[in-house]
Amino acid sequence: QKEVEQDPGPLSVPEGAIVSLNCTYSNSAFQYFMWYRQYSRKGPELLMYTYSSGNKEDGRFTAQVDKSSKYISLFIRDSQPSDSATYLCAMSASRYSTLTFGKGTMLLVSP
Amino acid sequence: SAVISQKPSRDICQRGTSLTIQCQVDSQVTMMFWYRQQPGQSLTLIATANQGSEATYESGFVIDKFPISRPNLTFSTLTVSNMSPEDSSIYLCSLRSAQTPDTQYFGPGTRLTVL
Repeated sequence: QKEVEQDPGPLSVPEGAIVSLNCTYSNSAFQYFMWYRQYSRKGPELLMYTYSSGNKEDGRFTAQVDKSSKYISLFIRDSQPSDSATYLCAMSASRYSTLTFGKGTMLLVSP
Repeated sequence: SAVISQKPSRDICQRGTSLTIQCQVDSQVTMMFWYRQQPGQSLTLIATANQGSEATYESGFVIDKFPISRPNLTFSTLTVSNMSPEDSSIYLCSLRSAQTPDTQYFGPGTRLTVL
């Protein structure tokens, strides 16, 4: 079993839809959770960062962590064509330990 | 967040040659990393670039193949040596700052194609 599992997609939605992106993980020591957005031919851009369990909201984006289920989610409200990108989840056990990444989910938002 | 630049942004190289990728940051950072991103794969950590000393390599990566330098807190290089087509990938510089050690940022990447 891989440490971090993420459906590669592509996930195709119409503009305005609510998008749910998810990762599952096996290492119960993970405490720090990040979501990155990566546009084609660009480096990953940090989108959301969450420590431990709970929710965090930033504009149209909400990150959710359920440590009991080892499951994290990223919700995008009112999705826009400009949200079309690959979304990578990443996590680590401590502030200074290395990140473990999912493979990324490709999201396509059609106008 | 710090601004990270990489050179070159892309290159096409012949088998058996070497390429050095440069990473420049606009502020002093504590930790710098080099990653590889192969098509359809996760980001894979190659090594942590240590300032003034040898890099710390992850399992499966060796110094002879991927020599790394970090002469100061804002600059690092990664060399891909004796390249083969399997080295075709995107190579990414990454950092964490002392102010925000929990969060990690990435450069724009270097897209390498080996023929």
